[in-house]
Amino acid sequence: RKEVEQDPGPFNVPEGATVAFNCTYSNSASQSFFWYRQDCRKEPKLLMSVYSSGNEDGRFTAQLNRASQYISLLIRDSKLSDSATYLCVVNYYSGGYQKVTFGTGTKLQVIP
Amino acid sequence: DVKVTQSSRYLVKRTGEKVFLECVQDMDHENMFWYRQDPGLGLRLIYFSYDVKMKEKGDIPEGYSVSREKKERFSLILESASTNQTSMYLCASSPGAGGNTIYFGEGSWLTVV
Repeated sequence: RKEVEQDPGPFNVPEGATVAFNCTYSNSASQSFFWYRQDCRKEPKLLMSVYSSGNEDGRFTAQLNRASQYISLLIRDSKLSDSATYLCVVNYYSGGYQKVTFGTGTKLQVIP
Repeated sequence: DVKVTQSSRYLVKRTGEKVFLECVQDMDHENMFWYRQDPGLGLRLIYFSYDVKMKEKGDIPEGYSVSREKKERFSLILESASTNQTSMYLCASSPGAGGNTIYFGEGSWLTVV
């Protein structure tokens, strides 16, 4: 089983739609969680951190469910500019080192 | 803003050549990473470093080595480039203690012919 799993998609949604992605992780000792956005042929960029209580940034909402070991990203009122690949990232510490694991990403295509 | 700079953006090298990929970060981060990214495989960790002169193998270190002589600089070395090392290489850094957000450079596209 992969440490971090995401549905690769693609998710094709019309403008204005609401779309949600899930990401499951296997290491129960994972401590911090993030969503990154990656445009085609570009580097990943931080979209938002994911906090235990859930957090919102404009049209984006991230949630963490530690009991079921998954994180989610909800995008409301999708824009064409939201088209990208969304990577979930899970951190834990082992032997004093930061261990970072990336999902393979979920591709979103917002269509007019 | 954090800046991670990969000086070589696009390279074409011949099989067997030694290749150096340089990465510099300007935020005094403790941790630095090298990844490669290939279609369908996602990001795979090659090496990481949590301090000057320290290095740890990631998931796919074979065929690579690294050097971190100064805190701000982390170099990836392909000792003898092979065609299966054609990929996008991403350098990243994170603060270490007190912060673990990863910041990426723009990537280096390497083609080995």
